[in-house]
Amino acid sequence: DVKVTQSSRYLVKRTGEKVFLECVQDMDHENMFWYRQDPGLGLRLIYFSYDVKMKEKGDIPEGYSVSREKKERFSLILESASTNQTSMYLCASSYLSSGNTIYFGEGSWLTVV
Amino acid sequence: GNSVTQMEGPVTLSEEAFLTINCTYTATGYPSLFWYVQYPGEGLQLLLKATKADDKGSNKGFEATYRKETTSFHLEKGSVQVSDSAVYFCALSDNAGNNRKLIWGLGTSLAVNP
Repeated sequence: DVKVTQSSRYLVKRTGEKVFLECVQDMDHENMFWYRQDPGLGLRLIYFSYDVKMKEKGDIPEGYSVSREKKERFSLILESASTNQTSMYLCASSYLSSGNTIYFGEGSWLTVV
Repeated sequence: GNSVTQMEGPVTLSEEAFLTINCTYTATGYPSLFWYVQYPGEGLQLLLKATKADDKGSNKGFEATYRKETTSFHLEKGSVQVSDSAVYFCALSDNAGNNRKLIWGLGTSLAVNP
């Protein structure tokens, strides 16, 4: 079975802290994604990567950056956390071409106080 | 641009009731269509998909048929169980280039009571 593992399920951080969310997949997928999920807003794409060191901005990249140094690992970075970044963060991966199934991690609940 | 519209929830049903969750889409070309399910406290997982018109996706008693004439991909199940309580997302992939351009509906919450 495909496994997408997010390093932390629950985090509480203070405003202004730098936050790292880590994600690892074990299927040699080219694509990796970071989404944010909020009630009433569905899933919104933050960043997308289709190869090592390659990244594309999604729909809401402001306040976030990403790193992909190895194919299996995709990190989301909040440079200076703010309360409006309190949310559920979902990592996902898939093979390269359109129409392939996207596999999700279990999510990371981040609270910024 | 491409878009997905699914019925708003929450939907509340009794066990063994019939379920329909409507999903309609706007897209150019020939997209692939998906239903994902998110159980409480978990990430999303693929429930079923269809890649061309008139295809029927099915899994765990759920079905959805890709209807190009009505641009719809409605999710149905004949007899729901309490364990089906979850949030259901309809999604569309435009089949152009890489898999980045997945368009998501807002999700429909389903609660099934015993």
